[in-house]
Amino acid sequence: NAGVTQTPKFQVLKTGQSMTLQCAQDMNHEYMSWYRQDPGMGLRLIHYSVGAGITDQGEVPNGYNVSRSTTEDFPLRLLSAAPSQTSVYFCASSYSKRYRGSVPDTQYFGPGTRLTVL
Amino acid sequence: DAKTTQPNSMESNEEEPVHLPCNHSTISGTDYIHWYRQLPSQGPEYVIHGLTSNVNNRMASLAIAEDRKSSTLILHRATLRDAAVYYCILAGNTPLVFGKGTRLSVIA
Repeated sequence: NAGVTQTPKFQVLKTGQSMTLQCAQDMNHEYMSWYRQDPGMGLRLIHYSVGAGITDQGEVPNGYNVSRSTTEDFPLRLLSAAPSQTSVYFCASSYSKRYRGSVPDTQYFGPGTRLTVL
Repeated sequence: DAKTTQPNSMESNEEEPVHLPCNHSTISGTDYIHWYRQLPSQGPEYVIHGLTSNVNNRMASLAIAEDRKSSTLILHRATLRDAAVYYCILAGNTPLVFGKGTRLSVIA
């Protein structure tokens, strides 16, 4: 299994541009989420999804959109980039219920996308 | 959301045991105690979890107080590769809420 993959690894945007951060997992996980991490800070939840077709807001959702059309993919869209969105973005996935001996809520994280908005 | 309290930073000598404390006085009966760590420039990774009993795995041990209001992550022999930020998280329902964690420095 590739686990959780994220693309791109690095991105530089100008203020006002839009873009989509990609996240995919091949573990058949129901639950997927997006976090951002600013320098010296912990992770803050942006949006999450408990299954295909279902999304919900986290702690800091403003300026971001998500959709979940398949179990595997959970893209994060920046509608109009702002310098305040400069951050490292992590995607994570997990089983939402105990499944084949798994631990509920054990999240697997991708390697991150480092985004700079000028 | 249930909250945890951890020291901002700790330091350890290489090859010595490390005890990372976590207070969670508002824990509910169904909350699992999870520990994650984040190595430099990487995403967080799962370390260990427990509910009521002490737990061991290949990475660490987790000691849980009898009243479940605190727990301690134990690294038996710290190595330089264990230098990371360690997060103690209460998991009842997804999503997980991360605090600032404890930054562990390991001195050679």
